[in-house]
Amino acid sequence: QVQLVQSGAGVKKPGSSVKVSCTASGGTFSSYDISWVRQAPGQGLEWMGGINPIFATPKYAQKFQGRVTITTDESTSTAYMELSSLRSEDTAVYYCARDLKDAALDVWGQGTTVTVSS
Amino acid sequence: QSALTQPASVSGSPGQSITISCTGTSSDVADYNYVSWYQQHPGKVPKLIIFDVSNRPSGVSQRFSGSKSGNTASLTISGLQAEDEADYYCSSYTGSTSSYVFGSGTKVSVL
Repeated sequence: QVQLVQSGAGVKKPGSSVKVSCTASGGTFSSYDISWVRQAPGQGLEWMGGINPIFATPKYAQKFQGRVTITTDESTSTAYMELSSLRSEDTAVYYCARDLKDAALDVWGQGTTVTVSS
Repeated sequence: QSALTQPASVSGSPGQSITISCTGTSSDVADYNYVSWYQQHPGKVPKLIIFDVSNRPSGVSQRFSGSKSGNTASLTISGLQAEDEADYYCSSYTGSTSSYVFGSGTKVSVL
């Protein structure tokens, strides 16, 4: 069964960028899209974007267009999400998830806590 | 893209059935059978419990069922148990932007 393991938590300064990794093990990485979802403290889930590992074609939520970049490295079965121009409102847990099909995210990473603070 | 609308909270007694609604628009829930539901316990990772409106992934209890009518999808939990106390989120594909949108979330309490 595929598992998704994410990089560790971090504290970032306002205006900087953060890059979170998501490495797949135990399955075929390229068989499914990978989505990124975030959850601010005490708030709901928010879809940020996703990518097809084979075609490396990302799609982004309108809210994050221009600020988020999602990429993959098939050689290491790893997906990345980079968010730039960080502000305090970006403090959240960031999850990667396997997209089984059409908004069905069936395997999730453990989450990466990103804190934006001066 | 606005979040899908869910009630903030729903409660029920053990053994009862409860239903959570998820209201979208003609660009998402109404037009596509790509509605999923997730269960999230405090401090835990979300878990997929329903996909494609009414399909359950392997291992998910039959007490969870999904349906859709027009622009509103619903999740029903029958035989409510203490372990069902959690937050529940719907999500849908949205054709207007070829992206996904989540619901606002519903806290289920077992009385």
